[in-house]
Amino acid sequence: NFMLTQPHSVSESPGKTVTISCTRSSGSIASNYVHWYQQRPGSSPTNVIYEANQRPSGVPDRFSGSIDSSSNSASLTISGLKTEDEADYYCLSYDSSNPNWVFGGGTKLSVL
Amino acid sequence: EVQLVESGGGLVQPGGSLRVSCAASGFPFSTYAMSWVRRAPAKGLEWVSGITGGGGSKYYADSVKGRFTISRDNSQNILYLQMNSLRAEDTAVYYCAKYVGSGTPRWRFEYWGQGIPVTVSS
Repeated sequence: NFMLTQPHSVSESPGKTVTISCTRSSGSIASNYVHWYQQRPGSSPTNVIYEANQRPSGVPDRFSGSIDSSSNSASLTISGLKTEDEADYYCLSYDSSNPNWVFGGGTKLSVL
Repeated sequence: EVQLVESGGGLVQPGGSLRVSCAASGFPFSTYAMSWVRRAPAKGLEWVSGITGGGGSKYYADSVKGRFTISRDNSQNILYLQMNSLRAEDTAVYYCAKYVGSGTPRWRFEYWGQGIPVTVSS
């Protein structure tokens, strides 16, 4: 079993770039795919990045993802921030030992 | 258009039971694995349970194992979650979600329902 740790909150100004990290507690971050979800207040989650760095159709290229094996973490980067990006963001990965799917604790992004 | 519509939530006393349902449309239901994910008040998303397209394999989070049962009726395109021995900490919005991806390790949640609230309180 492993945990995915995210910062509780981040904030940045419109037009700027923000990066949200997701650190795996044990085992390699690269051993299973990492996906990212956005959940706006009052709405269901939507997938913004899958398999670490792929964008689903319809997601703007302002959203990008990466993996850093040295820090055992995945990152979601949002550039050209807009007020509509204000939401909770979650990373997700598969735990083959159980098996089950593990979410990070979530990061609240404020754009102000 | 893919649609997932949950129903059956509500208020239940601790120790009680409840069954939530998810009516699916817009895709070949029996071909896809499905899942339940919840979000408790002031907390993050938590995966609860998953089931393969044919229903032959079922997966549960440790927090619900032995208390919750996932099932599906592929003739009616409905996903179920039977919740027994409910606790206050099971209070959450429960989302039905459709998996996508080739092979279990690649599975992610592609489409989500609107969610249904379940409150466990006396």
